[in-house]
Amino acid sequence: DGGITQSPKYLFRKEGQNVTLSCEQNLNHDAMYWYRQDPGQGLRLIYYSQIVNDFQKGDIAEGYSVSREKKESFPLTVTSAQKNPTAFYLCASSAPTQYFGPGTRLLVL
Amino acid sequence: AQSVAQPEDQVNVAEGNPLTVKCTYSVSGNPYLFWYVQYPNRGLQFLLKYITGDNLVKGSYGFEAEFNKSQTSFHLKKPSALVSDSALYFCAVRPSGTYKYIFGTGTRLKVLA
Repeated sequence: DGGITQSPKYLFRKEGQNVTLSCEQNLNHDAMYWYRQDPGQGLRLIYYSQIVNDFQKGDIAEGYSVSREKKESFPLTVTSAQKNPTAFYLCASSAPTQYFGPGTRLLVL
Repeated sequence: AQSVAQPEDQVNVAEGNPLTVKCTYSVSGNPYLFWYVQYPNRGLQFLLKYITGDNLVKGSYGFEAEFNKSQTSFHLKKPSALVSDSALYFCAVRPSGTYKYIFGTGTRLKVLA
């Protein structure tokens, strides 16, 4: 099956802890994205990457970090600096239609 | 600033009736236009897109959308709604010359049996 996988489906973060959300695609797309979705606010862009070893900040990058060491993978780390991390996180890739993964719901303990 | 507007937070329609979900955009140039659907606790599913060509675009599950350049609109339509169409619908725009996408805030469609 071709597509985008995200893991885990649910993630719990303790205060002061960094957590990493996984995103993998086998669509051979160059561009990948991370969005945050909060109720009633649509999708907000956190980071995006047009090509391996390159990425740019989106609209709400503070408190987040990414890496793009492989074309297939674009992990997102939610750092302890992100004070309100509870949200639904969506990964996507595009060429140029954007396709989305199933999402990871991050909750704070 | 570039933006996408979905003026209705919620649209209610009776099953079997036609439905329209509105989208307008403020983007320079010739953007790519998209519609997505989201079911609870799921990722967004691609429905259809307009890049160039015929202004009426047909997509998945019987949905279609009409591109109107003069009104900068890209409304989603379906001739006969199903209860299973009830979901959250997002309009998105990719401005030309960029890899970024701009999303509307979403419209919740409720189809009543």
